Amino acid sequence: GAGVSQSPRYKVAKRGQDVALRCDPISGHVSLFWYQQALGQGPEFLTYFQNEAQLDKSGLPSDRFFAERPEGSVSTLKIQRTQQEDSAVYLCASSSRRTGMVGEQFFGPGTRLTVL
Amino acid sequence: QKEVEQDPGPLSVPEGAIVSLNCTYSNSAFQYFMWYRQYSRKGPELLMYTYSSGNKEDGRFTAQVDKSSKYISLFIRDSQPSDSATYLCATLRGKLIFGQGTELSVKP
Repeated sequence: GAGVSQSPRYKVAKRGQDVALRCDPISGHVSLFWYQQALGQGPEFLTYFQNEAQLDKSGLPSDRFFAERPEGSVSTLKIQRTQQEDSAVYLCASSSRRTGMVGEQFFGPGTRLTVL
Repeated sequence: QKEVEQDPGPLSVPEGAIVSLNCTYSNSAFQYFMWYRQYSRKGPELLMYTYSSGNKEDGRFTAQVDKSSKYISLFIRDSQPSDSATYLCATLRGKLIFGQGTELSVKP
């Protein structure tokens, strides 16, 4: 079956531009996570949704980062006024289980954002 | 100090070698430990996970957790070129907390 998909796969933005990154989770998955992976580093947690509710946004690095999942399926991560330090791969993962329970998180291929 | 620390590598071994990948963690409350494999330009995929201390084996892969020393290991036997990837250890606290990742290259 279809896995987690993300679009665009690659995005180049000029410093100061706004970008929107999309995640299509596996159908029916309750939980959705966003992670940021800098070059040569492991993924770092950004935010978590359970259905349409954003239950944890403790990893968002600044108020320029905003995420939504209005209907409990597709999610969008928006970055306003992009900076060079925002350059990274943004990974989305979904899970059939709620947070706190062990359940495999299935990752998408990521969106590679380069800010010039 | 990061909650999960991992040898960054890179690590290069000949085909057929036994590979040992290692991590340490700081919080004794962590209970679940995972190993993910990430190929270039792909998302991480779960290889295996263990609960608390002990070993878990799956084919050529063995995961080991030593809670007394807060040490996590992954062993790969009879390594193959197709095992070339970045290996990420992780623990779970609602969200996944990853180590830095070790880049492994298995040469034919």
